[in-house]
Amino acid sequence: GENVEQHPSTLSVQEGDSAVIKCTYSDSASNYFPWYKQELGKGPQLIIDIRSNVGEKKDQRIAVTLNKTAKHFSLHITETQPEDSAVYFCAAPWMDSSYKLIFGSGTRLLVRP
Amino acid sequence: DAGVIQSPRHEVTEMGQEVTLRCKPISGHNSLFWYRQTMMRGLELLIYFNNNVPIDDSGMPEDRFSAKMPNASFSTLKIQPSEPRDSAVYFCASSYQTYYEQYFGPGTRLTVT
Repeated sequence: GENVEQHPSTLSVQEGDSAVIKCTYSDSASNYFPWYKQELGKGPQLIIDIRSNVGEKKDQRIAVTLNKTAKHFSLHITETQPEDSAVYFCAAPWMDSSYKLIFGSGTRLLVRP
Repeated sequence: DAGVIQSPRHEVTEMGQEVTLRCKPISGHNSLFWYRQTMMRGLELLIYFNNNVPIDDSGMPEDRFSAKMPNASFSTLKIQPSEPRDSAVYFCASSYQTYYEQYFGPGTRLTVT
């Protein structure tokens, strides 16, 4: 089955700098890779996702890149702001499931003003 | 849209008591998920419903856990009897047809003493 590893576990950046979080997956058949943001006391919120037919997707200050050969995908946040501080989770499908996601262990991002 | 609604937001109970968590998915969504989040195990899928029918309950930890979805706008997760190791945050999520795009509720923080 799918195994998703996420690094780093914590990340501290200065406001305005960029932040990069990386995930690796094990199942080469995986075709969907979402990123969730979880603020304190709230549920995870889908912020961006990418499917295996593209290598990069952008939405304003966030972007996700996918390297299928190396089986890793990354979240890039540019011009970080204090409100970006949260825990970020990556995920990938379990085997060929159409609904079951395996989540990474999370990255706690702190943006220092 | 009100998003996924969960109640209660916090629940404190004594070991052995019955606990019922409630969820109202986003209107029009036909898939519903119950997750459990702990520091040790991260975010785990407990059970998945599609069109009110339980499709995958392989994540339900024990027979003490049960879930129902009597109609498209309501689901419950019941723990009977509860144990201290059940203490966690329980999330409900829903999605509409498209693969994987799951929308999470705010969660119920359960503490069993």
